[in-house]
Amino acid sequence: DAGITQSPRHKVTETGTPVTLRCHQTENHRYMYWYRQDPGHGLRLIHYSYGVKDTDKGEVSDGYSVSRSKTEDFLLTLESATSSQTSVYFCAISDPGPGYYGYTFGSGTRLTVV
Amino acid sequence: KQEVTQIPAALSVPEGENLVLNCSFTDSAIYNLQWFRQDPGKGLTSLLLIQSSQREQTSGRLNASLDKSSGRSTLYIAASQPGDSATYLCAVPGGSYIPTFGRGTSLIVHP
Repeated sequence: DAGITQSPRHKVTETGTPVTLRCHQTENHRYMYWYRQDPGHGLRLIHYSYGVKDTDKGEVSDGYSVSRSKTEDFLLTLESATSSQTSVYFCAISDPGPGYYGYTFGSGTRLTVV
Repeated sequence: KQEVTQIPAALSVPEGENLVLNCSFTDSAIYNLQWFRQDPGKGLTSLLLIQSSQREQTSGRLNASLDKSSGRSTLYIAASQPGDSATYLCAVPGGSYIPTFGRGTSLIVHP
């Protein structure tokens, strides 16, 4: 989607290694979100951010950490990857100010932990 | 806690049919409701955003309605085409602008 990019698009990693996924936006939106999507579970919120250095946990935050040092970047880190973290990860952005346009999603990162 | 339900979970129709996808939510104090489309292996693409002050939004063959009092939204797809095959999700924002998503309706339109 224009204005939001995720990297990498695909990654295979070994159990126990750290992994960092990046979400980059050019829309200057205040809110950024990390989701995982798994069959049978739908979209589940991992962490979200409501400003630089302001983050909070979602419903499935165990094993994940985030950082936001700049408005445009929101990083998701798996401290020690496990097979249960094999999933598709989506980043989303939003800004509730004037001209609200809803949520915009990135194209996703497919992560496989072997 | 807001809960969003989408019915039906899956739908298979022949090309050309007019379709109605349903989305219901438990807390009617919403600012807006957004419909998305997701193709297999892809991200979510926004289709329509309806503000709480509106009753309808239209984009091409898509029309979405919102009835806050009854906690319902419908997505109407006119003259369906095979290219409409995808999963359709609805979402409403909650506290801290965190959206609650339905599980989606998986649509297959066969030629």
